[in-house]
Amino acid sequence: GAGVSQSPSNKVTEKGKDVELRCDPISGHTALYWYRQSLGQGLEFLIYFQGNSAPDKSGLPSDRFSAERTGGSVSTLTIQRTQQEDSAVYLCASSLVGLAGGRGEQETQYFGPGTRLLVL
Amino acid sequence: RKEVEQDPGPFNVPEGATVAFNCTYSNSASQSFFWYRQDCRKEPKLLMSVYSSGNEDGRFTAQLNRASQYISLLIRDSKLSDSATYLCVVNLRSRTGNQFYFGTGTSLTVIP
Repeated sequence: GAGVSQSPSNKVTEKGKDVELRCDPISGHTALYWYRQSLGQGLEFLIYFQGNSAPDKSGLPSDRFSAERTGGSVSTLTIQRTQQEDSAVYLCASSLVGLAGGRGEQETQYFGPGTRLLVL
Repeated sequence: RKEVEQDPGPFNVPEGATVAFNCTYSNSASQSFFWYRQDCRKEPKLLMSVYSSGNEDGRFTAQLNRASQYISLLIRDSKLSDSATYLCVVNLRSRTGNQFYFGTGTSLTVIP
């Protein structure tokens, strides 16, 4: 079946502008995660959704970052008043289960191809 | 202290060699462990889960040592196609759900 998809694949914006990134998880996956990865760095956790709710927003770096998920499916990550340090690859992942817990395959995260954001 | 720590490498090994990576984690309550592989400018992809009893998938063997809080990945008979960054991932389940911690990755280059 289809994997996780993200759009746009690349985004170049000017400092101070708002951007919206979209993630379409694998159908039926209840858990959705956002990460970002700067050049040569590890993955930085941003936010986690279980269904439409976000029990863990601890990773959002500032109040310029927000995310929502509607219908238990598509999620959007919004960055307001972008700064140059926001430049990174934003990765979305989904897994079959999240809050209820699971083992092995159920909690395995499948990643989308990412959105490469460049803030000039 | 970071939740998950890995030696960034790089590890440069000849084809056919055996190479091993270790990853340490700080929270003893961590419950699930994974190795992911990330190719240059690509998304991470699951390589294998790590079970308490250890598990093997072809040339790849993963081990978990809870007492010392580390996991390992052994690659036998390295292939050129094994060149990638290997990410250690630890899952800590809490009341609010899963919290996945990714290591910064170990870079492997297999040389002809």
